[in-house]
Amino acid sequence: DGGITQSPKYLFRKEGQNVTLSCEQNLNHDAMYWYRQDPGQGLRLIYYSQIVNDFQKGDIAEGYSVSREKKESFPLTVTSAQKNPTAFYLCASRPREHGELFFGEGSRLTVL
Amino acid sequence: GQQVMQIPQYQHVQEGEDFTTYCNSSTTLSNIQWYKQRPGGHPVFLIQLVKSGEVKKQKRLTFQFGEAKKNSSLHITATQTTDVGTYFCAGRLSLMAGSYQLTFGKGTKLSVIP
Repeated sequence: DGGITQSPKYLFRKEGQNVTLSCEQNLNHDAMYWYRQDPGQGLRLIYYSQIVNDFQKGDIAEGYSVSREKKESFPLTVTSAQKNPTAFYLCASRPREHGELFFGEGSRLTVL
Repeated sequence: GQQVMQIPQYQHVQEGEDFTTYCNSSTTLSNIQWYKQRPGGHPVFLIQLVKSGEVKKQKRLTFQFGEAKKNSSLHITATQTTDVGTYFCAGRLSLMAGSYQLTFGKGTKLSVIP
């Protein structure tokens, strides 16, 4: 089936450790996005990529990094520089410039 | 800061009552989208509005886009327990060529009491 797969679904990490969240899509979408969701805060854009080997910072990029080496993959690294990393992370893709977003099931990161 | 305001933040209704959530932007939107997120789930696209004054219906759901393209609303008639979830609006603020950023409202969490 076509869709967006995020892994892991749940992740625990200790303070000071980097962690990478995976996002893979087989929808042949050009654009991919990472959002962070906190209770009562809606969805905030971390990074987005409109084409392979190119990406741009969103509203809250500090403490995060991404890569886009393949069209299908857009991994997000939460670095130790992110001061409050505990959150629900959502990856999404879009088929065309004015189209809707297709979301993965999300990854819930807890920093202990 | 947040440029798309959505109210109310929470709404509790008896099953069968109507429900409305409102979305307001400080700037003109080129389009607006609505998403639904069930508890424990991920956002799922409902609809997109593009034209000034546009009204679209999906069964018991009615979506409106304001004449000035700065506000939108989602109205649910005769709510059911299956309507439970958080409803988000998302507006496209950037008009730069080649860019496409959606700004999400904070969402309205709907609870339906059977």
